[in-house]
Amino acid sequence: AQTVTQSQPEMSVQEAETVTLSCTYDTSENNYYLFWYKQPPSRQMILVIRQEAYKQQNATENRFSVNFQKAAKSFSLKISDSQLGDTAMYFCAFMKHGRRQGGSEKLVFGKGTKLTVNP
Amino acid sequence: DSGVTQTPKHLITATGQRVTLRCSPRSGDLSVYWYQQSLDQGLQFLIQYYNGEERAKGNILERFSAQQFPDLHSELNLSSLELGDSALYFCASSVEDFPGNEQFFGPGTRLTVL
Repeated sequence: AQTVTQSQPEMSVQEAETVTLSCTYDTSENNYYLFWYKQPPSRQMILVIRQEAYKQQNATENRFSVNFQKAAKSFSLKISDSQLGDTAMYFCAFMKHGRRQGGSEKLVFGKGTKLTVNP
Repeated sequence: DSGVTQTPKHLITATGQRVTLRCSPRSGDLSVYWYQQSLDQGLQFLIQYYNGEERAKGNILERFSAQQFPDLHSELNLSSLELGDSALYFCASSVEDFPGNEQFFGPGTRLTVL
C-alpha cells in the first residue's frame, strides 16, 4: 500500500517570501502521479500542481513549482512570492497509474501542512 | 467553482440515524469518488464508481453504502450513525479519459452526529 508523509504540520512565511513544503511517499509502483492540493478556510479542495512520475522535468504553475526526486521518493512544493491568499492547508497526494479503462485511481493523501502567510 | 455539487452542505443528526449525501459530478465526468475528512484519520478514500459500477473500495464501513445512478449522480448512504462518523465528506469527479486525471472536488457535506 502507498503512504504519503508530510513532516511539517504547520509552517509560516512572510508575504512575498518563498516557502517549501515537504512530502515523501512510499510505493513499489514505477508509474504514478503526484499532486498538491490546497484547502483554504472555505474547505474547498483545489488542485495546485500535478506531476507525472515518468517525466523528469519538474512541474510549474505560475508561483508554484515542485522538486520531484523519484529515487528519493520526495515531492516538495515551493511557493514563491507568497500571498495572503496562499494561507491554507496543503495536501500532498499520490495516485498510482491505473490499468483499466479510464485509468484513474484513488488519491492517497498525506496529513497536510497548515501554511500561514503573514503580512 | 469546480462544477461538482454536493447536498446538503451541513447535516446534523443523532446517533443511530441514517442519512444520504448526494453528489452531482461535472458534466461529462464518468467517475465519482467519495472521501472522508476527519481530524483523526485525515483524508481517506471511501469508494469509487465509474459509469454506474463500483470500481474500487477503500476504508468504507459496512454501515456505509453508495451508488451511482444512470444520470451519473451518486449518493452515499450512512446508517447506524456513531459519533465518530462526524466528518467532512467530499465527492470528487473525474473524466477518466486518461490515467492520472485530475479529480475535481465538491464543496463537501459537513456531517455532525450528536
